[in-house]
Amino acid sequence: SQELEQSPQSLIVQEGKNLTINCTSSKTLYGLYWYKQKYGEGLIFLMMLQKGGEEKSHEKITAKLDEKKQQSSLHITASQPSHAGIYLCGAVQISSGSARQLTFGSGTQLTVLP
Amino acid sequence: NAGVTQTPKFQVLKTGQSMTLQCAQDMNHEYMSWYRQDPGMGLRLIHYSVGAGITDQGEVPNGYNVSRSTTEDFPLRLLSAAPSQTSVYFCASSYSILGSSYNSPLHFGNGTRLTVT
Repeated sequence: SQELEQSPQSLIVQEGKNLTINCTSSKTLYGLYWYKQKYGEGLIFLMMLQKGGEEKSHEKITAKLDEKKQQSSLHITASQPSHAGIYLCGAVQISSGSARQLTFGSGTQLTVLP
Repeated sequence: NAGVTQTPKFQVLKTGQSMTLQCAQDMNHEYMSWYRQDPGMGLRLIHYSVGAGITDQGEVPNGYNVSRSTTEDFPLRLLSAAPSQTSVYFCASSYSILGSSYNSPLHFGNGTRLTVT
C-alpha cells in the first residue's frame, strides 16, 4: 500500500514567519490533496494537485507537486495565528478494482505564536 | 446544504456493546467513506462505497460493518465494541470516484468521538 510521510511532525513558528511542510510518497502520486484540521473538528479542504510541476495558491498558502520526486510541499507565507492546526496530505491510491482510495499522512501540527 | 452530518458527536460504550454511527450527506455524492483517526497514526480508511448497494473494505475493516441502501446514508456498525476501537471517526463523501477525470475533494463531517471502556 502507499505510504505518505509528512515532515516535520510538529512546527512552532513566530507570527509573520514563513514555513514549509513536506509530504513524500512511497509510490507515484496520481493526485495529492492538502487538508487542514483544527482540534476537535473535521478536515477542511485546502487544495488539490494533479500534474507534475503543478502549483496552486490560496491566500498565503501555496502547494506544489513534484511528481518526479513523489513529493509535495505546502508553504505558508507570513504566518498568522489563524494558520494554526494540523495539516494533512492525502494521496489517491489506485486499488485492485476500479475504485480509488485516499491515503493520508500522519499530519503536521502547526503552532503560530503571536 | 448541511454537507456531511455525523451523529452522535460523542459516545461512550462498554466492551461488547454494539452501536451504529450515522452519516448522511445531502450533496448527492456517489462516494462515501469512513475513517478513524488515532494519535500518531493519521487517518485510516475503514470502509468505503462507490454508490448505493456497493461497499468495499479499506485498510482497517475488522470489527466494523457498513451498508449503503441509499445514496445519502452510510452507517458504520460496531458489532461488539473493543477498547482498541476507541478513536475519532470521520465520514467523508465526494462527488465522484477519486482519481477520475472529474476529481473532487472529500468533504468531511465533524467526527464522532468514541470511547470504549
